Amino acid sequence: AQTVTQSQPEMSVQEAETVTLSCTYDTSESNYYLFWYKQPPSRQMILVIRQEAYKQQNATENRFSVNFQKAAKSFSLKISDSQLGDTAMYFCAFFLYSGGGADGLTFGKGTHLIIQP
Amino acid sequence: DSGVTQTPKHLITATGQRVTLRCSPRSGDLSVYWYQQSLDQGLQFLIHYYNGEERAKGNILERFSAQQFPDLHSELNLSSLELGDSALYFCASSPWDSSYEQYFGPGTRLTVT
Repeated sequence: AQTVTQSQPEMSVQEAETVTLSCTYDTSESNYYLFWYKQPPSRQMILVIRQEAYKQQNATENRFSVNFQKAAKSFSLKISDSQLGDTAMYFCAFFLYSGGGADGLTFGKGTHLIIQP
Repeated sequence: DSGVTQTPKHLITATGQRVTLRCSPRSGDLSVYWYQQSLDQGLQFLIHYYNGEERAKGNILERFSAQQFPDLHSELNLSSLELGDSALYFCASSPWDSSYEQYFGPGTRLTVT
């Protein structure tokens, strides 16, 4: 079974600063995907960024980028120029590509990110 | 808006009761996943249906069951409810059986009193 660990329950930074959220995972599989989801106070789950394990290049989406270290099983999220609207719970998630009958996402416990004005 | 709808938005019921949560996937999506988000357990995968067939089970209690209908909407049935079943229940839809793309609905907030 896969596990996902987020070791930072809460983080707080000033607006416009850069912040990095940590995530480690454990799996013996080689074909998988990793995600960061954002959950604002509305509780909606919003996909922030996705990384395919077979890709060496780190994914980037505007102000959001990841540092994917496959050998270390580490997948951190960097948010640049943080904005008040980035305040939310952030979940790291793992998806095993099985070719059929896929289990769902495995989530970490989440990091509550607070952006201070 | 993900295109996934869930009803009802909120549900308050008593211990021992039975409830049904409904999920309509995005148009064209064949897979539905159910997740539970609670303070104790965090976000956990419950069950996956693809085109009407059960495909995978996660940490789903025996008191819980689900099905996916020919029109592809899905229902999660929770019976003999306990206080600990209070949680936010999400469904997510996906185009096919093992697609990594999952589009989450807004969730149903269940409160058991």
